[in-house]
Amino acid sequence: QKEVEQNSGPLSVPEGAIASLNCTYSDRGSQSFFWYRQYSGKSPELIMSIYSNGDKEDGRFTAQLNKASQYVSLLIRDSQPSDSATYLCAVKRDYKLSFGAGTTVTVRA
Amino acid sequence: GAGVSQSPSNKVTEKGKDVELRCDPISGHTALYWYRQSLGQGLEFLIYFQGNSAPDKSGLPSDRFSAERTGGSVSTLTIQRTQQEDSAVYLCASSLDRVLSYEQYFGPGTRLTVT
Repeated sequence: QKEVEQNSGPLSVPEGAIASLNCTYSDRGSQSFFWYRQYSGKSPELIMSIYSNGDKEDGRFTAQLNKASQYVSLLIRDSQPSDSATYLCAVKRDYKLSFGAGTTVTVRA
Repeated sequence: GAGVSQSPSNKVTEKGKDVELRCDPISGHTALYWYRQSLGQGLEFLIYFQGNSAPDKSGLPSDRFSAERTGGSVSTLTIQRTQQEDSAVYLCASSLDRVLSYEQYFGPGTRLTVT
């Protein structure tokens, strides 16, 4: 079992719709959770961090964490073509980040 | 302020040669990390520095890989006798400290191609 698993893509959504990304993790000792966005040929860019159960909103992004279910999600509201990228879920225990394989999102105009 | 910088941005080398990759973290960040991203493998952790010491080298793939950090700042990742399987993007990240809540910020990466 992989440490961090993300829903397989690619995910195609129309402009203005909600994109929903899911991530599960295996290590119950994980304590910090992050979403990175990676454009093709670029390095990962941190877009959200979440540390406690519940929702965290930042602009059009909402991260949700459920530690009991070992589940993290990211919602992108009012999706724009500029949101087309690969989204990486990352889970941190102590100092080490473990990454999922990523979900590629395409927002079609 | 300035982000994490890495050099070179691209490196093409022949199999068997040694290469050095450099990382300059965000000013004031005491923790520094190296990762590798290759097709089909995703992002994998290589090594972590707190200050100049490397408490965890467990991700280094073989003894051909080594890294050092001097002055609590710049870090160099060295790959000796490069092999084709070493071809990947090598990413450096830094954070204020190793504490759980401190976020890691990535540099632009070095794309290494071994021919």
